[in-house]
Amino acid sequence: NAGVTQTPKFQVLKTGQSMTLQCAQDMNHNSMYWYRQDPGMGLRLIYYSASEGTTDKGEVPNGYNVSRLNKREFSLRLESAAPSQTSVYFCASKESTDTQYFGPGTRLTVL
Amino acid sequence: QQPVQSPQAVILREGEDAVINCSSSKALYSVHWYRQKHGEAPVFLMILLKGGEQKGHEKISASFNEKKQQSSLYLTASQLSYSGTYFCGTGVYGGATNKLIFGTGTLLAVQP
Repeated sequence: NAGVTQTPKFQVLKTGQSMTLQCAQDMNHNSMYWYRQDPGMGLRLIYYSASEGTTDKGEVPNGYNVSRLNKREFSLRLESAAPSQTSVYFCASKESTDTQYFGPGTRLTVL
Repeated sequence: QQPVQSPQAVILREGEDAVINCSSSKALYSVHWYRQKHGEAPVFLMILLKGGEQKGHEKISASFNEKKQQSSLYLTASQLSYSGTYFCGTGVYGGATNKLIFGTGTLLAVQP
């Protein structure tokens, strides 16, 4: 099992560009999450999907959109990137016991 | 509102003990502890459910005081491998049961 995979690992964007971060899990988990991690701020929830076909906002959803493509895949889209979105982005999936498993992260820089 | 972790950072010598605290302003039904090494993803350590139970993982254990809305992580006889940033994730009553609110983290450095 690969667990949770994310692509790309690194990305540099210019202000105003758009991009999609991809996440996939092979553990048959229903719930999936997108977090951003900034120095001193810990992990903050952007969006989550409790099950296939549903998505909900987290603490910091502004400037992002998500798609739960199927049970395995949950993507995060930045429509018009801003420097404030420079961060490390983690995807996670959750099993029934509430344990969350994290992907390796995407390091995004917006110039 | 994020739970508050204390201390923000701690430096230990190998073999010393440490306690990391997590305090929430909201009523909790669960607390999760994760460790993140530099440049890596957070890794699950343990989950505590309401009832004040204490759990253990190698020489790392934790407690959860539901009434005080607090959890503590105990690291005994620390090893170099314990270095990293520790996060608590809280399951909050009244919130969606599927999501956690994470604290800001405690940086632990174990020196030889």
